[in-house]
Amino acid sequence: DTGVSQNPRHKITKRGQNVTFRCDPISEHNRLYWYRQTLGQGPEFLTYFQNEAQLEKSRLLSDRFSAERPKGSFSTLEIQRTEQGDSAMYLCASSLTAGGYETQYFGPGTRLLVL
Amino acid sequence: DAKTTQPPSMDCAEGRAANLPCNHSTISGNEYVYWYRQIHSQGPQYIIHGLKNNETNEMASLIITEDRKSSTLILPHATLRDTAVYYCIVGHPIRNRDDKIIFGKGTRLHILP
Repeated sequence: DTGVSQNPRHKITKRGQNVTFRCDPISEHNRLYWYRQTLGQGPEFLTYFQNEAQLEKSRLLSDRFSAERPKGSFSTLEIQRTEQGDSAMYLCASSLTAGGYETQYFGPGTRLLVL
Repeated sequence: DAKTTQPPSMDCAEGRAANLPCNHSTISGNEYVYWYRQIHSQGPQYIIHGLKNNETNEMASLIITEDRKSSTLILPHATLRDTAVYYCIVGHPIRNRDDKIIFGKGTRLHILP
């Protein structure tokens, strides 16, 4: 399978704990995006990388959230001191900005439940 | 806020064509119309995109009005596996720092047996 993969698929944690999610994009895709999705809503943009550079962060991304893409390949999203409001599906997408347009390919998501 | 307006839900009989409308009256001249769908518990899946000409691929057809203020996604022969939330999004072909990709709530399409 050469699609976008995310791990873990599900995570249950207690309030106050730190969690880290991993995203492996499609090989050679230069852009990587993180989104958050709550029940009944569409995905909300959090941040994106062009290669290893983090180019933009949404205001939704509080200082408890940090994302990295150290070698321009996989990415991690860490949430520190989790809160119940962080419970959501966290989606990763990758794209290749070539050919004049960009299409994002999404992973299956990591579902986080904070108790 | 999303730049698009879609009906919250629609039903379609299996085997019939599903026509999903989208209004994007504030679309700018160089913005594309993209369609994604999300099947329950999965990540969104790209379907199709277009600028001003009608487009067709193996999944669907996209009809964009001449004034580009609305479009329709057509699934020609809907199956039960097409039950999903369908998102219509407008954006530039290459996202830049000032371009926000905003998903609305989409249209929940139910394919009825």
